[in-house]
Amino acid sequence: EVQLVQSGAEVKKPGESLKISCKASGYTFARFWIGWVRQMPGKGLEWMGIIYPGDSHSTYSPSFQGQVTISANKSINTAYVQWSSLRASDTAMYYCARHSLVAGTIEIDYWGQGTLVTVSS
Amino acid sequence: QSVLTQPPSASGTPGQRVTISCSGSSSNVGTNYVYWYQQLPGTAPKLLIYRSNQRPSGVPDRFSGSKSGTSASLAISGLRSEDEADYYCASWDDSLRGVLFGGGTKLTVL
Repeated sequence: EVQLVQSGAEVKKPGESLKISCKASGYTFARFWIGWVRQMPGKGLEWMGIIYPGDSHSTYSPSFQGQVTISANKSINTAYVQWSSLRASDTAMYYCARHSLVAGTIEIDYWGQGTLVTVSS
Repeated sequence: QSVLTQPPSASGTPGQRVTISCSGSSSNVGTNYVYWYQQLPGTAPKLLIYRSNQRPSGVPDRFSGSKSGTSASLAISGLRSEDEADYYCASWDDSLRGVLFGGGTKLTVL
């Protein structure tokens, strides 16, 4: 059974750094893209970017390029997203999601439970 | 503003059939598969329809998906109270080289 288990809720101050995690199990981690989706309070889903753990190749949405860094450690089946300097506007629920390559495109098939990040002074 | 356009809300009474539309362009819906996700209140999204019209195991056959040109639809027949949720369409975009989501449709069961 595929499972994505995310780290717990975080409360941070503006300007602080943060790294949240997503531990995968039930499949070969290195062979599937894994990425992150943001959901701001009361809003819809926004795709942030993905990484291929097998070779660490990553791609980002233009909206998130330069704002976050997505990484993965295939030795412990864990993906991460990190911020170097948080802003209040980063307050949101963040979901990790497994992406599968199908017929030349990528589909999201499994989701983590979400990590709530609150940034407030 | 989302590139995939969904109506913000939809509603129906128990037993009715409702449809939710998703409009895109030639670089996403017109070329690639469409996916539908159900997000129940306070929970993570769940895959409901994949590759435009396929149901994962465990998803009732009351849910169906279709695609024509640059538009797609999710149909829910025999509406039940537990179907009250937010529904999102998604598709890979060849220009963006990323996944696009619709803005979401909040389904209310009256």
